[in-house]
Amino acid sequence: GAGVSQSPRYKVAKRGQDVALRCDPISGHVSLFWYQQALGQGPEFLTYFQNEAQLDKSGLPSDRFFAERPEGSVSTLKIQRTQQEDSAVYLCASSLAGVNTGELFFGEGSRLTVL
Amino acid sequence: AQSVSQHNHHVILSEAASLELGCNYSYGGTVNLFWYVQYPGQHLQLLLKYFSGDPLVKGIKGFEAEFIKSKFSFNLRKPSVQWSDTAEYFCAARANSGYALNFGKGTSLLVTP
Repeated sequence: GAGVSQSPRYKVAKRGQDVALRCDPISGHVSLFWYQQALGQGPEFLTYFQNEAQLDKSGLPSDRFFAERPEGSVSTLKIQRTQQEDSAVYLCASSLAGVNTGELFFGEGSRLTVL
Repeated sequence: AQSVSQHNHHVILSEAASLELGCNYSYGGTVNLFWYVQYPGQHLQLLLKYFSGDPLVKGIKGFEAEFIKSKFSFNLRKPSVQWSDTAEYFCAARANSGYALNFGKGTSLLVTP
Protein backbone atom coordinates (compact mmCIF):
# COMPACT_ATOMS: atom_id res chain seq x y z
CA GLY A 1 0.00 0.00 0.00
CA ALA A 2 0.91 3.66 -0.07
CA GLY A 3 0.97 4.20 3.68
CA VAL A 4 3.33 3.36 6.53
CA SER A 5 3.17 -0.33 7.27
CA GLN A 6 4.00 -1.88 10.62
CA SER A 7 4.29 -5.50 11.65
CA PRO A 8 3.30 -7.36 13.62
CA ARG A 9 0.10 -5.53 14.50
CA TYR A 10 -0.14 -7.46 17.75
CA LYS A 11 2.59 -9.14 19.75
CA VAL A 12 2.30 -10.97 23.05
CA ALA A 13 5.59 -11.68 24.77
CA LYS A 14 6.51 -13.32 28.02
CA ARG A 15 8.55 -11.19 30.33
CA GLY A 16 12.22 -11.57 29.46
CA GLN A 17 11.68 -12.33 25.77
CA ASP A 18 13.18 -10.25 23.00
CA VAL A 19 10.87 -8.68 20.41
CA ALA A 20 11.42 -7.00 17.06
CA LEU A 21 8.96 -4.57 15.51
CA ARG A 22 9.20 -3.63 11.86
CA CYS A 23 8.31 -0.42 10.07
CA ASP A 24 8.05 0.07 6.31
CA PRO A 25 7.85 3.81 5.70
CA ILE A 26 6.37 5.45 2.65
CA SER A 27 8.76 5.02 -0.23
CA GLY A 28 11.19 7.91 -0.57
CA HIS A 29 10.54 9.32 2.87
CA VAL A 30 13.74 10.59 4.42
CA SER A 31 12.63 10.92 8.03
CA LEU A 32 11.47 8.08 10.23
CA PHE A 33 10.28 8.30 13.82
CA TRP A 34 9.38 5.78 16.49
CA TYR A 35 6.91 6.66 19.22
CA GLN A 36 5.60 4.74 22.22
CA GLN A 37 1.97 5.17 23.23
CA ALA A 38 0.90 3.79 26.57
CA LEU A 39 -2.78 3.24 27.30
CA GLY A 40 -4.59 6.54 27.81
CA GLN A 41 -1.56 8.61 26.93
CA GLY A 42 -0.31 10.52 23.94
CA PRO A 43 2.55 9.21 21.81
CA GLU A 44 6.00 9.67 23.36
CA PHE A 45 9.02 10.22 21.13
CA LEU A 46 11.57 7.41 21.12
CA THR A 47 13.99 7.96 18.27
CA TYR A 48 14.53 9.67 14.91
CA PHE A 49 16.31 8.63 11.71
CA GLN A 50 17.24 10.76 8.77
CA ASN A 51 17.91 8.20 6.06
CA GLU A 52 20.13 5.60 7.77
CA ALA A 53 21.52 7.97 10.38
CA GLN A 54 20.00 7.82 13.85
CA LEU A 55 20.13 11.49 14.76
CA ASP A 56 18.32 11.30 18.07
CA LYS A 57 17.73 8.40 20.41
CA SER A 58 17.12 10.46 23.51
CA GLY A 59 13.63 9.06 24.01
CA LEU A 60 14.63 5.40 24.25
CA PRO A 61 13.72 4.48 27.84
CA SER A 62 16.61 2.13 28.50
CA ASP A 63 19.50 0.32 26.87
CA ARG A 64 17.14 -2.60 26.28
CA PHE A 65 15.68 -0.59 23.41
CA PHE A 66 17.53 -0.46 20.13
CA ALA A 67 16.49 0.82 16.70
CA GLU A 68 18.10 0.60 13.32
CA ARG A 69 17.47 1.62 9.74
CA PRO A 70 20.51 0.20 7.93
CA GLU A 71 19.57 1.04 4.35
CA GLY A 72 17.57 4.16 4.98
CA SER A 73 14.19 2.58 4.36
CA VAL A 74 12.83 -0.23 6.58
CA SER A 75 13.40 0.23 10.30
CA THR A 76 13.35 -2.23 13.17
CA LEU A 77 12.77 -1.45 16.83
CA LYS A 78 14.14 -4.16 19.07
CA ILE A 79 13.34 -4.57 22.73
CA GLN A 80 15.46 -6.96 24.71
CA ARG A 81 14.41 -8.73 27.91
CA THR A 82 10.91 -7.27 27.77
CA GLN A 83 9.25 -6.10 30.96
CA GLN A 84 5.62 -5.43 31.77
CA GLU A 85 6.10 -1.69 31.60
CA ASP A 86 7.08 -2.09 27.94
CA SER A 87 3.46 -2.92 27.12
CA ALA A 88 2.28 -0.21 24.76
CA VAL A 89 1.51 0.59 21.15
CA TYR A 90 4.66 1.36 19.19
CA LEU A 91 4.03 3.81 16.38
CA CYS A 92 6.20 4.45 13.38
CA ALA A 93 5.90 7.64 11.35
CA SER A 94 7.66 8.91 8.27
CA SER A 95 7.90 12.20 6.43
CA LEU A 96 9.25 13.20 3.07
CA ALA A 97 11.82 15.76 4.12
CA GLY A 98 14.28 16.24 6.94
CA VAL A 99 14.24 18.81 9.67
CA ASN A 100 11.27 21.20 9.79
CA THR A 101 9.07 18.87 7.83
CA GLY A 102 5.35 19.35 7.61
CA GLU A 103 3.26 16.27 8.04
CA LEU A 104 4.16 13.01 9.69
CA PHE A 105 2.42 9.95 8.28
CA PHE A 106 1.75 7.35 10.93
CA GLY A 107 1.36 3.61 10.71
CA GLU A 108 -1.34 1.74 12.59
CA GLY A 109 1.11 0.68 15.26
CA SER A 110 2.30 -2.54 16.83
CA ARG A 111 0.55 -3.36 20.08
CA LEU A 112 2.93 -5.12 22.46
CA THR A 113 1.62 -6.92 25.52
CA VAL A 114 4.16 -8.29 27.95
CA LEU A 115 2.84 -10.93 30.33
CA ALA B 1 10.81 21.76 29.63
CA GLN B 2 8.86 21.58 26.39
CA SER B 3 5.38 20.21 26.91
CA VAL B 4 1.87 20.12 25.51
CA SER B 5 -1.21 19.96 27.69
CA GLN B 6 -4.77 19.23 26.71
CA HIS B 7 -7.46 20.41 29.07
CA ASN B 8 -10.15 17.82 28.58
CA HIS B 9 -9.56 14.09 28.55
CA HIS B 10 -13.14 13.06 27.76
CA VAL B 11 -15.81 15.09 25.99
CA ILE B 12 -19.34 13.98 25.16
CA LEU B 13 -21.44 16.06 22.78
CA SER B 14 -24.68 15.67 20.93
CA GLU B 15 -24.70 15.94 17.16
CA ALA B 16 -24.79 19.54 15.91
CA ALA B 17 -23.24 20.87 19.11
CA SER B 18 -20.20 23.11 18.85
CA LEU B 19 -16.79 21.81 19.83
CA GLU B 20 -13.77 23.45 21.36
CA LEU B 21 -10.82 21.42 22.60
CA GLY B 22 -8.15 23.22 24.54
CA CYS B 23 -4.42 22.91 23.97
CA ASN B 24 -1.59 24.81 25.63
CA TYR B 25 2.09 24.46 24.93
CA SER B 26 5.21 25.36 26.83
CA TYR B 27 8.01 26.17 24.42
CA GLY B 28 10.60 28.88 24.09
CA GLY B 29 11.10 30.32 20.65
CA THR B 30 9.17 29.63 17.49
CA VAL B 31 6.90 26.63 17.56
CA ASN B 32 5.01 24.60 14.97
CA LEU B 33 1.61 23.33 16.11
CA PHE B 34 -0.53 20.43 14.97
CA TRP B 35 -3.78 18.65 15.65
CA TYR B 36 -3.97 14.95 14.86
CA VAL B 37 -7.05 12.73 14.97
CA GLN B 38 -7.30 9.00 15.51
CA TYR B 39 -10.60 7.43 14.50
CA PRO B 40 -11.46 4.09 16.10
CA GLY B 41 -9.25 1.37 14.69
CA GLN B 42 -7.30 3.73 12.44
CA HIS B 43 -3.95 5.43 12.44
CA LEU B 44 -3.20 8.99 13.46
CA GLN B 45 -4.07 11.51 10.75
CA LEU B 46 -3.23 15.17 10.45
CA LEU B 47 -6.21 17.51 10.90
CA LEU B 48 -4.40 20.80 10.56
CA LYS B 49 -1.12 22.54 11.25
CA TYR B 50 0.23 25.99 12.00
CA PHE B 51 3.69 27.15 11.03
CA SER B 52 3.33 30.90 10.53
CA GLY B 53 1.04 33.53 9.05
CA ASP B 54 -2.70 33.71 9.64
CA PRO B 55 -3.26 32.45 13.19
CA LEU B 56 -6.65 31.00 12.23
CA VAL B 57 -5.97 27.72 10.50
CA LYS B 58 -8.54 25.69 8.64
CA GLY B 59 -8.19 21.94 8.33
CA ILE B 60 -10.06 18.99 6.97
CA LYS B 61 -13.66 18.07 7.78
CA GLY B 62 -14.64 21.57 8.91
CA PHE B 63 -12.14 21.82 11.76
CA GLU B 64 -10.21 24.97 12.52
CA ALA B 65 -7.75 26.08 15.18
CA GLU B 66 -6.58 29.43 16.43
CA PHE B 67 -3.03 30.16 17.47
CA ILE B 68 -2.94 32.72 20.28
CA LYS B 69 0.68 33.44 21.01
CA SER B 70 0.01 35.49 24.14
CA LYS B 71 -1.87 32.58 25.68
CA PHE B 72 0.41 29.83 24.37
CA SER B 73 -2.74 28.19 23.07
CA PHE B 74 -3.87 26.37 19.94
CA ASN B 75 -7.49 25.39 20.52
CA LEU B 76 -9.39 23.22 18.08
CA ARG B 77 -12.92 24.16 17.08
CA LYS B 78 -15.78 22.90 14.96
CA PRO B 79 -19.14 24.70 14.75
CA SER B 80 -21.28 21.59 14.44
CA VAL B 81 -20.03 18.08 15.20
CA GLN B 82 -21.21 14.89 13.57
CA TRP B 83 -21.37 11.36 14.88
CA SER B 84 -18.45 10.53 12.59
CA ASP B 85 -16.24 12.96 14.54
CA THR B 86 -16.10 10.46 17.40
CA ALA B 87 -12.36 9.94 17.81
CA GLU B 88 -9.28 10.69 19.88
CA TYR B 89 -7.78 14.13 19.26
CA PHE B 90 -4.14 14.96 19.92
CA CYS B 91 -2.48 18.34 20.00
CA ALA B 92 1.23 18.33 19.17
CA ALA B 93 4.06 20.83 19.04
CA ARG B 94 7.53 20.98 17.65
CA ALA B 95 10.23 23.57 18.10
CA ASN B 96 10.82 25.26 14.76
CA SER B 97 14.46 24.23 14.96
CA GLY B 98 13.64 20.65 15.90
CA TYR B 99 12.05 17.56 14.42
CA ALA B 100 10.41 15.58 17.19
CA LEU B 101 6.72 16.19 17.80
CA ASN B 102 5.63 16.34 21.44
CA PHE B 103 2.06 15.21 21.91
CA GLY B 104 -0.51 16.01 24.53
CA LYS B 105 -2.30 13.16 26.30
CA GLY B 106 -5.27 13.38 23.97
CA THR B 107 -8.97 14.11 24.25
CA SER B 108 -11.50 11.41 23.64
CA LEU B 109 -14.57 12.82 21.90
CA LEU B 110 -17.83 10.93 21.80
CA VAL B 111 -20.61 12.37 19.67
CA THR B 112 -24.04 10.95 20.37
CA PRO B 113 -26.82 10.87 17.79
